[in-house]
Amino acid sequence: SAVISQKPSRDICQRGTSLTIQCQVDSQVTMMFWYRQQPGQSLTLIATANQGSEATYESGFVIDKFPISRPNLTFSTLTVSNMSPEDSSIYLCSASASGANVLTFGAGSRLTVL
Amino acid sequence: ILNVEQSPQSLHVQEGDSTNFTCSFPSSNFYALHWYRWETAKSPEALFVMTLNGDEKKKGRISATLNTKEGYSYLYIKGSQPEDSATYLCASSNTGNQFYFGTGTSLTVIP
Repeated sequence: SAVISQKPSRDICQRGTSLTIQCQVDSQVTMMFWYRQQPGQSLTLIATANQGSEATYESGFVIDKFPISRPNLTFSTLTVSNMSPEDSSIYLCSASASGANVLTFGAGSRLTVL
Repeated sequence: ILNVEQSPQSLHVQEGDSTNFTCSFPSSNFYALHWYRWETAKSPEALFVMTLNGDEKKKGRISATLNTKEGYSYLYIKGSQPEDSATYLCASSNTGNQFYFGTGTSLTVIP
């Protein structure tokens, strides 16, 4: 299965700033996703990163707050904009091959917003 | 939205003890049930994918069962070891490849 590298692994950020998380897959994948896990909560899908077009956001998540890029089939970025302490979370990149009902994950980016 | 529930939320066991966790999920639009092991600072690792009612899968000391009619899955660990300490995530997926995760069970194995 694909190997996913994600960075940064962790960061401490100031309120009002933005941070971009990068996700690199070692092979071409059809589907890439961004998840968030807030403390005590389940993994929640933020959006599906579509290659060459705008990401598809889940209810409660908007492009202005979480802009996503996917320039090719192996790379995606998630930006957390204008951060507040409520954005403190683990953000996970994941990927899936077309037709495969299996998700592979990166190691996550643990963000703490002060 | 599917509601996947896991219990217990956390668990401490002594080395050598056997243990099990529960995952419950709605049966509607069900396609597959997934178990992941997530160690701190690492990627969640896929343990099992099960689709059929009555499925039972095993990997070393870890096994899982699936009941799609009543909407639950059990994960069993036999003879727990400290390296089994991790968060165990359960997810239900549908035919549209949408995944719905539980909050996980955090296992600590005490040497």
